[in-house]
Amino acid sequence: QQQVKQSPQSLIVQKGGIPIINCAYENTAFDYFPWYQQFPGKGPALLIAIRPDVSEKKEGRFTISFNKSAKQFSLHIMDSQPGDSATYFCAASKSYGGSQGNLIFGKGTKLSVKP
Amino acid sequence: DSGVTQTPKHLITATGQRVTLRCSPRSGDLSVYWYQQSLDQGLQFLIQYYNGEERAKGNILERFSAQQFPDLHSELNLSSLELGDSALYFCASSPGGARGETQYFGPGTRLLVL
Repeated sequence: QQQVKQSPQSLIVQKGGIPIINCAYENTAFDYFPWYQQFPGKGPALLIAIRPDVSEKKEGRFTISFNKSAKQFSLHIMDSQPGDSATYFCAASKSYGGSQGNLIFGKGTKLSVKP
Repeated sequence: DSGVTQTPKHLITATGQRVTLRCSPRSGDLSVYWYQQSLDQGLQFLIQYYNGEERAKGNILERFSAQQFPDLHSELNLSSLELGDSALYFCASSPGGARGETQYFGPGTRLLVL
């Protein structure tokens, strides 16, 4: 059973476009939703994260939109650049005992930004 | 550079063999997580240690085991290896004491079982 569903699997946009990647989760106990970016041959790196008491968070060109009632969240990349070409993973986690638990990842979206 | 180091970078071995993957967390981080990344399963959580104690277990096979040492480095032991164990193995670390903490990933160990 896949707890975090991510779409699309791949995405091609032109430079300057706004790719949008969507994720849906099932477990309402999740309380932390990060997005990770992974380049070939590298480990995932945190891009931006949100907690469910906030509906939107922006950091630079990256924005997370969060819809708690629909159990969905999405990543928007404004003014995308060829250097943004990477695989993006959404994830979810729940806290317990005052600390954060392991991450449950979506399957990933391979983004290609054409010059 | 995340500050998490993993060795070796690449490992090629044969079916039935045993290997040990090593992870050094960021300075001061008490929590270590192990994840497996494969094409068909994606990124999957294996096991977490906090300050030397096992804290959570995910989809870790019985043939796999891990430990965290007093200096906080961790090792993942994979035994009776099968072709399907070929994957990227990542270690991540976090301070371990608060909600919403970032997990910092190492560069991974690429395991190929022939």
